Amino acid sequence: AQSVAQPEDQVNVAEGNPLTVKCTYSVSGNPYLFWYVQYPNRGLQFLLKYITGDNLVKGSYGFEAEFNKSQTSFHLKKPSALVSDSALYFCAVRPNQAGTALIFGKGTTLSVSS
Amino acid sequence: EAGVTQFPSHSVIEKGQTVTLRCDPISGHDNLYWYRRVMGKEIKFLLHFVKESKQDESGMPNNRFLAERTGGTYSTLKVQPAELEDSGVYFCASSQGIGTAYGYTFGSGTRLTVV
Repeated sequence: AQSVAQPEDQVNVAEGNPLTVKCTYSVSGNPYLFWYVQYPNRGLQFLLKYITGDNLVKGSYGFEAEFNKSQTSFHLKKPSALVSDSALYFCAVRPNQAGTALIFGKGTTLSVSS
Repeated sequence: EAGVTQFPSHSVIEKGQTVTLRCDPISGHDNLYWYRRVMGKEIKFLLHFVKESKQDESGMPNNRFLAERTGGTYSTLKVQPAELEDSGVYFCASSQGIGTAYGYTFGSGTRLTVV
């Protein structure tokens, strides 16, 4: 079955330190990859996506993600975390097949301490 | 432009009752999706409308769930009768197209609690 794994329920990092939120996927073919963020009482907000091309994708709020095809990973990164980055992060894939639904991971709660 | 609007934002109902969730997509977005997140688990796809037609309803859990999109504008998702396991956050998303150039805009979700 096609799936997305976010192995960490929670990531804790101090403000100013780099952060990584991990994502691996098990999907056939060449999927499209996404990261979304959910702040409290808000909807899912788009951060970035990988379709094709450069493996390092830059997105909103200073976030970036690196696509690694051999490891089937799409880890989210930021060089210097902010307290305001604290939120719930979801990795998602859209299989490159018929149908346009996204397959999501469980989500990772990022907590940035001051 | 207005975003995707969902209401109610919260709903608490008793087992066996009926609940109807509503989603108003961004105007002009033909594609409308429903997803659900059960506490602590993945957000799972329920179904996809293109205008008023159900394009893909493979994620609908059972026949207690009925989704409609009359006229191709807003959509409703009815749960009848509700069961405890239906509790979760129901998200709606819309998209102008289905190509990779188009993104998905999500609503804030409806938190449904069945007691």
